[in-house]
Amino acid sequence: GEDVEQSLFLSVREGDSSVINCTYTDSSSTYLYWYKQEPGAGLQLLTYIFSNMDMKQDQRLTVLLNKKDKHLSLRIADTQTGDSAIYFCAERENNDMRFGAGTRLTVKP
Amino acid sequence: ETGVTQSPTHLIKTRGQQVTLRCSSQSGHNTVSWYQQALGQGPQFIFQYYREEENGRGNFPPRFSGLQFPNYSSELNVNALELDDSALYLCASSFQGYEQYFGPGTRLTVT
Repeated sequence: GEDVEQSLFLSVREGDSSVINCTYTDSSSTYLYWYKQEPGAGLQLLTYIFSNMDMKQDQRLTVLLNKKDKHLSLRIADTQTGDSAIYFCAERENNDMRFGAGTRLTVKP
Repeated sequence: ETGVTQSPTHLIKTRGQQVTLRCSSQSGHNTVSWYQQALGQGPQFIFQYYREEENGRGNFPPRFSGLQFPNYSSELNVNALELDDSALYLCASSFQGYEQYFGPGTRLTVT
């Protein structure tokens, strides 16, 4: 089974905020990542956070990390139809990067 | 565009055959990681190469092997193909493994 868990689907209206949640199990993970995958494409690195941080903001993206609960979230402000894709969180320990199964975000006009 | 390229884009092989997939890393990157992504799942780590040496391996059998060349490009070889090897194979390049940038992938179908 997956060490990194995500809900499979999220649907929002254009202009709303989206929040994608992730839980991980390895407390020694040093970096946590968010990737975006569009149909038929590879993974696009959106942002990452070092484990000694609790928040990182990058334009419309905000990452929150709760190390105590091993919970990571990605908030997308003002969600657009172009944000429709599958979003993967991943944890990295040493050279092994472990991904969740992905959350399919659907943005309705 | 990440600057990471993979070839071929698609490939169809028969069970028992061997396959070689190729990856060219982004300029300035010295590390290549390979992943297998089955349909509807997240990528699974196969192995990583750093300066031409294997530098970490996931839970894949020895029939999955790789190489990294002096220009940091890489190959993934799979012997004795099985039906379950059908997947999207992704490579990612990075400088020492931190920010990994993915190529578009090779879609392998085993019949």
